[in-house]
Amino acid sequence: NAGVTQTPKFRVLKTGQSMTLLCAQDMNHEYMYWYRQDPGMGLRLIHYSVGEGTTAKGEVPDGYNVSRLKKQNFLLGLESAAPSQTSVYFCASSLTAPGTEAFFGQGTRLTVV
Amino acid sequence: DQQVKQNSPSLSVQEGRISILNCDYTNSMFDYFLWYKKYPAEGPTFLISISSIKDKNEDGRFTVFLNKSAKHLSLHIVPSQPGDSAVYFCAASVNSGYSTLTFGKGTMLLVSP
Repeated sequence: NAGVTQTPKFRVLKTGQSMTLLCAQDMNHEYMYWYRQDPGMGLRLIHYSVGEGTTAKGEVPDGYNVSRLKKQNFLLGLESAAPSQTSVYFCASSLTAPGTEAFFGQGTRLTVV
Repeated sequence: DQQVKQNSPSLSVQEGRISILNCDYTNSMFDYFLWYKKYPAEGPTFLISISSIKDKNEDGRFTVFLNKSAKHLSLHIVPSQPGDSAVYFCAASVNSGYSTLTFGKGTMLLVSP
């Protein structure tokens, strides 16, 4: 009963490097989300998807790209990492629109030096 | 412009007493509200929710109250236990279309024995 799984759990990047964060859910949820959590800022939505093949921008999308080629996977890409992207990233999924609760992964702690 | 506000960054309560966490919102279109609980190094987990057609929802020790006219909701935990020590996030959404969750900045609750 995995729920929402994020890979990797920790990563250190140098400025300008690229990386992809993988999120996988096994609950057959339609909606998937990427959030970032920064001290004193709460959870801010980066991008989200309302179904396979769809993506949409959230509150803080700049510097990130996403893809949802398969229903169960939602990838978050950083093309050229910047120190401002140092954060904890959370993926979440929900069955339908947020009238139902979202289930979160354990997070990925990313440090950009 | 923050649409969901948790004005108390932290709250300390003694074991067995009541914990009251507050949340205010500015967007009158919000009609579904949720509370999430987050332990360090873990993802947020859903705690309790309330629809705007209700003014109270209970689940065991947890009760959420909604005052639509004041655009205010609160989470009551009775009795508080040391295991309740965590960060609590208030979230809101418009329960239609492709709405997403908007989170507050969180309140850290510390329950001391």
